[in-house]
Amino acid sequence: AQKITQTQPGMFVQEKEAVTLDCTYDTSDPSYGLFWYKQPSSGEMIFLIYQGSYDQQNATEGRYSLNFQKARKSANLVISASQLGDSAMYFCAMREGLRAAGNKLTFGGGTRVLVKP
Amino acid sequence: GAVVSQHPSWVICKSGTSVKIECRSLDFQATTMFWYRQFPKQSLMLMATSNEGSKATYEQGVEKDKFLINHASLTLSTLTVTSAHPEDSSFYICSARDFRDREYSNQPQHFGDGTRLSIL
Repeated sequence: AQKITQTQPGMFVQEKEAVTLDCTYDTSDPSYGLFWYKQPSSGEMIFLIYQGSYDQQNATEGRYSLNFQKARKSANLVISASQLGDSAMYFCAMREGLRAAGNKLTFGGGTRVLVKP
Repeated sequence: GAVVSQHPSWVICKSGTSVKIECRSLDFQATTMFWYRQFPKQSLMLMATSNEGSKATYEQGVEKDKFLINHASLTLSTLTVTSAHPEDSSFYICSARDFRDREYSNQPQHFGDGTRLSIL
């Protein structure tokens, strides 16, 4: 079974509008962390935002926010006020366990976002 | 912020050649580094976990003798693709975690910029 599922292979979004990228995960470990990364066409991986399984509040980082619904095992990324530079692949990833030994990341299939002017 | 340097950025070589890719943590020490492979329009697949001073841990299905990993210091891990063939052509990307992050799970892995490998 897939541990991280991103159901949207690609999305168009109008500049200045908000977009939500879906991510669902599967784990039996009560301790885990969820990450979102952005990968432009140049290939580098840019860390965007993190949500821990014990965090009480949804994470926010500038224009990025995470809609964390633990019972549904979903961690959707919301990008507000989209900019042309937001066009990229976006990956959701999970790290199971809190200690160093559980540091391996599992990535979802990614969602390609194209921002239209 | 934490910087990971990966070299070379891209390489084209003939079939049968061995290719070495370096991953360096520039401003932090990394007891653990990770090597990923990414085919076009696909996700990152973990190949192996590189541990400083010990053998790498390979994921299922990854050939140890094909992809040699050496993590000789706290700031350098290398991936050598031995006797590369066209099917080894891919985007290889490394990441590292700061050893000081040991007890904290909210710190992300820091990625290099990747290496595009093309085998002719």
